[in-house]
Amino acid sequence: GQNIDQPTEMTATEGAIVQINCTYQTSGFNGLFWYQQHAGEAPTFLSYNVLDGLEEKGRFSSFLSRSKGYSYLLLKELQMKDSASYLCAVRDWGAGNNRKLIWGLGTSLGVNP
Amino acid sequence: DAGVIQSPRHEVTEMGQEVTLRCKPISGHDYLFWYRQTMMRGLELLIYFNNNVPIDDSGMPEDRFSAKMPNASFSTLKIQPSEPRDSAVYFCASSSISGANVLTFGAGSRLTVL
Repeated sequence: GQNIDQPTEMTATEGAIVQINCTYQTSGFNGLFWYQQHAGEAPTFLSYNVLDGLEEKGRFSSFLSRSKGYSYLLLKELQMKDSASYLCAVRDWGAGNNRKLIWGLGTSLGVNP
Repeated sequence: DAGVIQSPRHEVTEMGQEVTLRCKPISGHDYLFWYRQTMMRGLELLIYFNNNVPIDDSGMPEDRFSAKMPNASFSTLKIQPSEPRDSAVYFCASSSISGANVLTFGAGSRLTVL
């Protein structure tokens, strides 16, 4: 079946580093996305990985291992504004040209002063 | 660009009433998605369109839900009749075939069915 797992909640301290893990099981794979969603707002795109390795974008980095069905989002120099839900999503190509994303339930990150 | 525009932002209605949610995608985007988000089930894809044509509606809960995209700049999601279990935030998102198909979401329509 199709499944994405990520921790429900995490807390960290301002200025610290936090790693949010995501494991997935899908019938096909054509990319993994991370989105950020502040309370009461829409998800916004953070990163995209389709090949194994680390993608760095400022304070945020995302890693992918396709053989392990595993990704993580690394947030450095945490700021209070990073308190949000972080959603992992996998594009499951499946049969045919299907552009569906399979979504995790999100990890709610709280940043404490 | 103003981004993806959804209306209404909030809707409170009574069970049995018809609800129509509207979406204007980003100009030039050829994919449009309707999602529903709840605490229990997270983001669920209801239906998506490519060049105004419905491609996959397997996520539409039942016949009470219908979606249309009469042109490239407008889509509707209709619930008739509405039920309390339809209460959720409904997001519209659009994307382009280029650029990894990254989704841009609208602000969402928060629906409460009493």
